[in-house]
Amino acid sequence: GDSVTQMEGPVTLSEEAFLTINCTYTATGYPSLFWYVQYPGEGLQLLLKATKADDKGSNKGFEATYRKETTSFHLEKGSVQVSDSAVYFCALRRDSWGKLQFGAGTQVVVTP
Amino acid sequence: NAGVTQTPKFRILKIGQSMTLQCTQDMNHNYMYWYRQDPGMGLKLIYYSVGAGITDKGEVPNGYNVSRSTTEDFPLRLELAAPSQTSVYFCASSRTSGDSYEQYFGPGTRLTVT
Repeated sequence: GDSVTQMEGPVTLSEEAFLTINCTYTATGYPSLFWYVQYPGEGLQLLLKATKADDKGSNKGFEATYRKETTSFHLEKGSVQVSDSAVYFCALRRDSWGKLQFGAGTQVVVTP
Repeated sequence: NAGVTQTPKFRILKIGQSMTLQCTQDMNHNYMYWYRQDPGMGLKLIYYSVGAGITDKGEVPNGYNVSRSTTEDFPLRLELAAPSQTSVYFCASSRTSGDSYEQYFGPGTRLTVT
């Protein structure tokens, strides 16, 4: 079945450092891919998405490129801020009913 | 515009008790979902609904029931609570399942069964 694998956390960084969170997936066909972010005590929010191979999603300085050759969708940000501290989830859309398959989540902690 | 609201925020249940988690959305979305989030495990889909009167099971439906009598409301019922149901529960909605439309999540209900 479909699955999403993310790098384990926590990832601890200093402010202004470069962030990469690896995400790979297993799925039939070419699913849509998403990154969601969960700030402490809140629900998940969509951060960015890509719907086909080679698409690049971007938002709030974050980027991720849909790579079908490596079945990956790694999240990157060039200069993180303390306010980026959160849990980040990679997900794929499983079917036409919109059901999502989530990775385990990666906690990111940014220190001043 | 409140989005997706969930009540209660926290609840402690004894083994064998029952309860209903409430979820309401004011965005006129057709699709609604219930997930549970266990530590280090990501989110697992419990049930989903594609419109009033239509529901279906997700990955982990055992021990839960849902109903969808209106577009706005999608309550999740726990019968005979068990410690394995200790989790954080999220409700989400989307306008359609198309790629262009995202799922909007509520703030969650933290449930402890002891």
